[in-house]
Amino acid sequence: DGGITQSPKYLFRKEGQNVTLSCEQNLNHDAMYWYRQDPGQGLRLIYYSQIVNDFQKGDIAEGYSVSREKKESFPLTVTSAQKNPTAFYLCASSTLAGSSYEQYFGPGTRLTVT
Amino acid sequence: EDKVVQSPLSLVVHEGDTVTLNCSYEVTNFRSLLWYKQEKKAPTFLFMLTSSGIEKKSGRLSSILDKKELFSILNITATQTGDSAIYLCAVGQGSGSRLTFGEGTQLTVNP
Repeated sequence: DGGITQSPKYLFRKEGQNVTLSCEQNLNHDAMYWYRQDPGQGLRLIYYSQIVNDFQKGDIAEGYSVSREKKESFPLTVTSAQKNPTAFYLCASSTLAGSSYEQYFGPGTRLTVT
Repeated sequence: EDKVVQSPLSLVVHEGDTVTLNCSYEVTNFRSLLWYKQEKKAPTFLFMLTSSGIEKKSGRLSSILDKKELFSILNITATQTGDSAIYLCAVGQGSGSRLTFGEGTQLTVNP
């Protein structure tokens, strides 16, 4: 089955700890994205990558870091510098071929920091 | 600054009603507008619109884009409780692949 997996589904951390969220895709997509969703808000772009070993900041990159060492994987680290890390995090991927902007989403990780 | 604005932010209707969701945008180098449905977790793709005036249809859902007035609407006829979800509008710009999302419309369909 082709798709995007995110793990874990729920994550609890103490304030001051870094935490890494996993995102893997087997769709052979070139581009991958990380979004944050807060209650009553849409999706806000954190980071995205269109090629291995390269990534760009989105609209709310402060307090987050990413890596793209493999095409299939795009992990997101939420650092202790992120002031309000509790949120729902969604990973997505897309092809860069043609003119389709359609992004495919994983099931999300709900992070709670106390 | 690029902007995508959805209205209403929330809507409660009864089964069988018809609803119209709105999405307006102000972005540079517009390429496409996409609609997604988000029930619990992952948003699922509904439509991508690139040309003005051409309606896209899937069952009871339809959508159209007006590039002159910079908006799109999503219509749902004969609503069912399974239509309850957040509906997200997103705009693709330029030659890159990133999308800018609106805040979403929370639709609740009561039996």
